[in-house]
Amino acid sequence: SQTIHQWPATLVQPVGSPLSLECTVEGTSNPNLYWYRQAAGRGLQLLFYSVGIGQISSEVPQNLSASRPQDRQFILSSKKLLLSDSGFYLCAWSYGTGGERPQHFGDGTRLSIL
Amino acid sequence: RKEVEQDPGPFNVPEGATVAFNCTYSNSASQSFFWYRQDCRKEPKLLMSVYSSGNEDGRFTAQLNRASQYISLLIRDSKLSDSATYLCALQNTGGFKTIFGAGTRLFVKA
Repeated sequence: SQTIHQWPATLVQPVGSPLSLECTVEGTSNPNLYWYRQAAGRGLQLLFYSVGIGQISSEVPQNLSASRPQDRQFILSSKKLLLSDSGFYLCAWSYGTGGERPQHFGDGTRLSIL
Repeated sequence: RKEVEQDPGPFNVPEGATVAFNCTYSNSASQSFFWYRQDCRKEPKLLMSVYSSGNEDGRFTAQLNRASQYISLLIRDSKLSDSATYLCALQNTGGFKTIFGAGTRLFVKA
């Protein structure tokens, strides 16, 4: 069966510091991978998605970036965090092919910027 | 107009009640539909897919109405443990991206 791992679970960072969140998927190959952010009490905002190694699509212009160095690894980064980057960051995967492709989420990282 | 709209609630219901949520969508080309459940401070979890023929999973029934462009989720015999936020979601042709509703909050009280 497929599993998705995301870490760390919580993170407290000062404004202006760098960020690296990592997500890995097991039990499937060539998944679609996604990064979302959810502000407190709000809906899911798609940040990036990837359909293959090195292929990144950005949905929202901001100071975040994503990379996919391996088939089942997806990394979210920032060089300098802003206060507005606080939120709940979720990684998700779906099958790469087929009609219906529900997304499955990792446990999330709760990021607080001080 | 938003692509997906949900009543944010909250819905406050007693245990044992039947509660229904609707979610409307604007793109008639939408192909696949889902309901997710999100507990407080947790990740969304897939509850069920939604089909025109309707599908049932225990106390939960989901329905798609393509003509009127909405999906519904019916919960029968509500339990305290059903308290959560319910998100509808849809995929357009290609299925790379999923569009999520903002969620409907449900509180089931003893």
